Amino acid sequence: DSGVTQTPKHLITATGQRVTLRCSPRSGDLSVYWYQQSLDQGLQFLIQYYNGEERAKGNILERFSAQQFPDLHSELNLSSLELGDSALYFCASSTRQGRGTEAFFGQGTRLTVV
Amino acid sequence: DQQVKQNSPSLSVQEGRISILNCDYTNSMFDYFLWYKKYPAEGPTFLISISSIKDKNEDGRFTVFLNKSAKHLSLHIVPSQPGDSAVYFCAARSGAGSYQLTFGKGTKLSVIP
Repeated sequence: DSGVTQTPKHLITATGQRVTLRCSPRSGDLSVYWYQQSLDQGLQFLIQYYNGEERAKGNILERFSAQQFPDLHSELNLSSLELGDSALYFCASSTRQGRGTEAFFGQGTRLTVV
Repeated sequence: DQQVKQNSPSLSVQEGRISILNCDYTNSMFDYFLWYKKYPAEGPTFLISISSIKDKNEDGRFTVFLNKSAKHLSLHIVPSQPGDSAVYFCAARSGAGSYQLTFGKGTKLSVIP
């Protein structure tokens, strides 16, 4: 158990819909990262938040947005969903300093768009 | 443009033998490299890492080697065990400030009893 909790584990929705994925980081971790893993692809970095502020942005579509709340949990919002958005979405957290470079991953949310 | 490449999608090794997983990168700004292991239906689990100022890091049965001039790193598992069967991802971090990781596509290791 990494200590990172993601909900829901599975999500099936129709094209054009909007969904929200939730992540609770490890206790004490201030950084939250979102990654997308599509079929046969490595994990693609989407976005990072640190203590409530956006810190880095990767290949995140404009239809996607995220935020980190004062209690440090994070939500990834996916809108106008397309079939190609079907993927595993992972959240990870890490400490900012020391050997906290390694990120700890949640179990992921499997999104299926039909 | 794939900055971290794992050219072998799969690898089969006999139990007790050495497993060698390879990874190449193109970005000279990467300063920290990590290996993650992933079982089906689970998130990636951190395995071992190495800073760009070192050329070797060892942790039990796992050793990571870094060849900066060749922009190549490898993960050695000795001896390999059936429980090591998983997908292994190589990842790299570029610079301070952001801890985002760039991942390879993974190598599926099968350790045969």
